[in-house]
Amino acid sequence: EADIYQTPRYLVIGTGKKITLECSQTMGHDKMYWYQQDPGMELHLIHYSYGVNSTEKGDLSSESTVSRIRTEHFPLTLESARPSHTSQYLCASSPPIRGLGQYFGPGTRLTVT
Amino acid sequence: GDSVTQMEGPVTLSEEAFLTINCTYTATGYPSLFWYVQYPGEGLQLLLKATKADDKGSNKGFEATYRKETTSFHLEKGSVQVSDSAVYFCALSAPNAGGTSYGKLTFGQGTILTVHP
Repeated sequence: EADIYQTPRYLVIGTGKKITLECSQTMGHDKMYWYQQDPGMELHLIHYSYGVNSTEKGDLSSESTVSRIRTEHFPLTLESARPSHTSQYLCASSPPIRGLGQYFGPGTRLTVT
Repeated sequence: GDSVTQMEGPVTLSEEAFLTINCTYTATGYPSLFWYVQYPGEGLQLLLKATKADDKGSNKGFEATYRKETTSFHLEKGSVQVSDSAVYFCALSAPNAGGTSYGKLTFGQGTILTVHP
């Protein structure tokens, strides 16, 4: 059973608010990822990290930012939320061994009004 | 670059029907291949995987065989149940130059499966 957690599960906020989506894992994985999932279900990698103090932008440009100060924690922040940020956000982590794939959290459903 | 192509959905079946969801890939090097499942309101769960040619991944009655010659990893199940209704994603992880893994996954676009009683 993978131990990766995301909070909140659901969030409805107004335009212009600053928000932070939390992601934590207890497996000691160095690699962590954030995906944005659109209503058509397709997954887009927006950020990833290979370890503490390492963050990279993913394949899809995003106005969000991430930080990795501790191995187990990989929060995502939106400084000023807009309706276009409405989406499902999924966090994942992966072990260093090839072929084991990624473990996903339950996701945060964000709605910006 | 790496890419994964899944058959377009949605797929609608009756209970106990046979399921096939096609998946083909393009990758440099020798990728690992995965099928993930996403139930409504949840994150993705790893369903099965294969790391080398001719490997067969299997779990919960689902199977997929790594076919290097056709660059395919089709998902099959002999008899689907209503509880199999979900979104299914095919994915690959390509090795880096050193033969290990960056861990990044390339996903297909997902296939919605609906099973009716």
